[in-house]
Amino acid sequence: NAGVTQTPKFQVLKTGQSMTLQCAQDMNHEYMSWYRQDPGMGLRLIHYSVGAGITDQGEVPNGYNVSRSTTEDFPLRLLSAAPSQTSVYFCASSYGDGSSYEQYFGPGTRLTVT
Amino acid sequence: GENVEQHPSTLSVQEGDSAVIKCTYSDSASNYFPWYKQELGKRPQLIIDIRSNVGEKKDQRIAVTLNKTAKHFSLHITETQPEDSAVYFCAASGGHNYGQNFVFGPGTRLSVLP
Repeated sequence: NAGVTQTPKFQVLKTGQSMTLQCAQDMNHEYMSWYRQDPGMGLRLIHYSVGAGITDQGEVPNGYNVSRSTTEDFPLRLLSAAPSQTSVYFCASSYGDGSSYEQYFGPGTRLTVT
Repeated sequence: GENVEQHPSTLSVQEGDSAVIKCTYSDSASNYFPWYKQELGKRPQLIIDIRSNVGEKKDQRIAVTLNKTAKHFSLHITETQPEDSAVYFCAASGGHNYGQNFVFGPGTRLSVLP
């Protein structure tokens, strides 16, 4: 199993550009999430999904969109990039069946907005 | 919404000593509390978790204690080793999206000095 994969690893955007961060998992996990990690602020939840077709907002959703058309994929779209979105983005997935809530994180995408 | 505080922000211990990291949370509906370890440049990984129906859980040199009345939980690492050096994050989850909608603390940077 590849686990949770994210692409790209690094990205530089100009203010106002849009892009999609890709996330995929091959563990048949129901739950998937997107976090951003900024120095001294831990991991903050952007959006999450409890199954295909179901998404919800986390703590910091503004400026980001998500969709979940399949169990495997959970892309994060930046609509109009701003310097405040410079961060490291982690995707995570978990079973969600009550036996375990361990979140498996992807390797992260380091995004810089100039 | 939920708010998770974590102390200390940095902690240095001598190899072989114990380390304790403390977290407090605000939402009494939270009932799942994981701890993640993140080594430099890597993804966070779960090291231990506890649910609200348990007061303490141990896994070899790592233990977590939970006091629901006081709304705080702690990570204890005994016989620390240099490979324990990392950033540790606590988190809390509860409510209708239990096990999915996580709020993380800001992290503790642990340095184990040889």
